[in-house]
Amino acid sequence: DAGITQSPRYKITETGRQVTLMCHQTWSHSYMFWYRQDLGHGLRLIYYSAAADITDKGEVPDGYVVSRSKTENFPLTLESATRSQTSVYFCASSESGLAGGPRETQYFGPGTRLLVL
Amino acid sequence: AQSVSQHNHHVILSEAASLELGCNYSYGGTVNLFWYVQYPGQHLQLLLKYFSGDPLVKGIKGFEAEFIKSKFSFNLRKPSVQWSDTAEYFCAVNMNSGGYQKVTFGIGTKLQVIP
Repeated sequence: DAGITQSPRYKITETGRQVTLMCHQTWSHSYMFWYRQDLGHGLRLIYYSAAADITDKGEVPDGYVVSRSKTENFPLTLESATRSQTSVYFCASSESGLAGGPRETQYFGPGTRLLVL
Repeated sequence: AQSVSQHNHHVILSEAASLELGCNYSYGGTVNLFWYVQYPGQHLQLLLKYFSGDPLVKGIKGFEAEFIKSKFSFNLRKPSVQWSDTAEYFCAVNMNSGGYQKVTFGIGTKLQVIP
């Protein structure tokens, strides 16, 4: 009954360090997404994945790396964290990513608050 | 460029007042429309969605939204708000292009309900 979980929920790191944010979903949804939420910008898509081993860039991919070796996990890595990456990160999943139909409704995780000093 | 506009960034209402939050999008093709709510300290939850059929969509907690295609709008309404409706509301539009999902979110509207 977990749905989508994210870990850690809060993270403080320093500029230049590598950070990995974890996302896990129990629904076997095909599609998974990473968004960042910033004041005045709403949610912006970083990367998404259509299935295991299939990923693609979103609106703001620079400085981030993703992988999806298993359907249920979609980790997001900041290879060398910068202060501009201080944000709240949300993972989401949907059953389908194709156009049309209720299966494409996205369900969100609780978020990870990341502070880069 | 495809975009979603939420014109009211911060709304303050007294309990029992009526609510209407605006959402407009710029895309001429087929769209699917969503409203999400984010209560303080929580994640986004789906309030309601429109895919096809009746343009007046009813969601949870007494919310409804009307899709007006000619105005490219999907405004959220509630006849009588409660203090517990204090939250941030996001409009999202899936602009169906090329068969893959492209969901664009508005910047959000913060609703504060005063008891």
